Amino acid sequence: DSGVTQTPKHLITATGQRVTLRCSPRSGDLSVYWYQQSLDQGLQFLIQYYNGEERAKGNILERFSAQQFPDLHSELNLSSLELGDSALYFCASSPSGRADTEAFFGQGTRLTVV
Amino acid sequence: AQSVTQLDSQVPVFEEAPVELRCNYSSSVSVYLFWYVQYPNQGLQLLLKYLSGSTLVKGINGFEAEFNKSQTSFHLRKPSVHISDTAEYFCAVSRRSNDYKLSFGAGTTVTVRA
Repeated sequence: DSGVTQTPKHLITATGQRVTLRCSPRSGDLSVYWYQQSLDQGLQFLIQYYNGEERAKGNILERFSAQQFPDLHSELNLSSLELGDSALYFCASSPSGRADTEAFFGQGTRLTVV
Repeated sequence: AQSVTQLDSQVPVFEEAPVELRCNYSSSVSVYLFWYVQYPNQGLQLLLKYLSGSTLVKGINGFEAEFNKSQTSFHLRKPSVHISDTAEYFCAVSRRSNDYKLSFGAGTTVTVRA
């Protein structure tokens, strides 16, 4: 158990809908990251937050947004969903957000868009 | 930008045999290098990382990797595998910075047979 909690574990929704994925980081970790894992794109970095502020952005679509709240949990919002958004979405956390520290990954939320 | 190429998509190996997973990277700046493992239906777990210093890095579960700057490689090895090592292995790179924007390879699936 990494200490990172993601909910829900599975999500099935229709095209055009909007969903919210939630992540609770390990106790004491200030930085949260979101990754998308799909069969065709592999593991892609989406976005990083540190203590409530966006720190780095990757291949995140405009239909996707994220935020980190004062209690440090984070939410990833996916809207106008398309079939191609079906993927495993991982959240990870680390104490400092620096690249030389270990990031701990949650078990992921599997999103299926039908 | 950084990129990672994992040269083998699937590696079948017999129990107690050695295994080597190959990883090459490309980057115009100095990087940190990582190997992660993903067991079935789980999140990613850090096996080992290279930050600086000795080019031979030892990780968890008996794995080690060697950083070769001239060949831009970071191959992962284990001298004797167990059935429990069956998993997907990801090589990743991050530039040396205050963000944690990991670029992952496509992954290598290791299947250990008795």
